Amino acid sequence: GQQVMQIPQYQHVQEGEDFTTYCNSSTTLSNIQWYKQRPGGHPVFLIQLVKSGEVKKQKRLTFQFGEAKKNSSLHITATQTTDVGTYFCAGRMDSSYKLIFGSGTRLLVRP
Amino acid sequence: GAGVSQSPRYKVAKRGQDVALRCDPISGHVSLFWYQQALGQGPEFLTYFQNEAQLDKSGLPSDRFFAERPEGSVSTLKIQRTQQEDSAVYLCATKRGSSSYNEQFFGPGTRLTVL
Repeated sequence: GQQVMQIPQYQHVQEGEDFTTYCNSSTTLSNIQWYKQRPGGHPVFLIQLVKSGEVKKQKRLTFQFGEAKKNSSLHITATQTTDVGTYFCAGRMDSSYKLIFGSGTRLLVRP
Repeated sequence: GAGVSQSPRYKVAKRGQDVALRCDPISGHVSLFWYQQALGQGPEFLTYFQNEAQLDKSGLPSDRFFAERPEGSVSTLKIQRTQQEDSAVYLCATKRGSSSYNEQFFGPGTRLTVL
């Protein structure tokens, strides 16, 4: 079936270090969304990527969508303790409203 | 309201009991999704409503799971004869339109524990 794989499962960094999480789909995606879930919280929408090769930035966060629209990445520059949480990618296949979530990458930041 | 609300926030049920989980969407949001999130995993799709129509229920794990949204607003997810494997956080998410490109707004979830 449709799968979205995400790595790494965990990342523990020192504050100020960079962080990257990667997302891969077994099938071509029409778009991909990224969500952040704080400990004990619910997923909160960060961004959506639609176009092949698209790159979007939000302050220290950079999101990329692969040329083949099968992979994506989220890069955080100079992490802060407020970045702590689990980051999920969620892909949508063509002609579907269903989001397929990755298993998430849990980010821990040492102050 | 200001956001998606869910009730109860926590539910403990004995195995075999029936439970009902409620979702109040953001006013005017057409689309409503239910997800199941196991510990350490991403949300897994259960079912989708567009207004009152349940367009997809392919993610419901068994016929013990039933969802409804009779007036196109509040939705209820019912689980009959609960089993231990039903223990999870149940998330409701809504979005403004029916387009694939709208962001989803999640509620706080209901944490169900089946003993």
